[in-house]
Amino acid sequence: DAGVTQSPTHLIKTRGQQVTLRCSPISGHKSVSWYQQVLGQGPQFIFQYYEKEERGRGNFPDRFSARQFPNYSSELNVNALLLGDSALYLCASMIGTGMYEQYFGPGTRLTVT
Amino acid sequence: KNEVEQSPQNLTAQEGEFITINCSYSVGISALHWLQQHPGGGIVSLFMLSSGKKKHGRLIATINIQEKHSSLHITASHPRDSAVYICAVPATDSNYQLIWGAGTKLIIKP
Repeated sequence: DAGVTQSPTHLIKTRGQQVTLRCSPISGHKSVSWYQQVLGQGPQFIFQYYEKEERGRGNFPDRFSARQFPNYSSELNVNALLLGDSALYLCASMIGTGMYEQYFGPGTRLTVT
Repeated sequence: KNEVEQSPQNLTAQEGEFITINCSYSVGISALHWLQQHPGGGIVSLFMLSSGKKKHGRLIATINIQEKHSSLHITASHPRDSAVYICAVPATDSNYQLIWGAGTKLIIKP
């Protein structure tokens, strides 16, 4: 069984541009969470989606949005990129909502110049 | 909001040593996660525990719910154990949003 996959692995964008990051959860998992990890810090929760609905949102501006598709894969969109958006973006897959073990993808390293 | 503190921040030890990493949190929880992050970013879930003790190979995690404290132990440490170890707990108002500790950077020297 494949684990959580994310694409792309690395990405370089310019300030003001928009970016879309993708995540495919483990087969059978219906929940996807997104985290941002700035270098030297712990991950910060951005969103959780379950059954295509947003179930939780962290303290991030409206420039950040996400969606989940019928196959439970998910996209994270960030508009009007700022230098401070440079980070590792992690996707985590869970069977459902609630207190389940989270399985992480390898992450997408976004650099904004 | 739950607060998480880990100690030590950095730990360097010789191969074979017994390692202990500590995690304290401020608000009662249903379960706590221990995770491992290697250089390059990949995060692996090691344990999710709500009481007592769990063991997986050379890794042991314990939790004391009353004292709001958890420890991660590594027996017979090896250079491949070098990584950042992070504990995470649910936010007080949700189970899906995790509050993460700052991590403990562990280096095991051969």
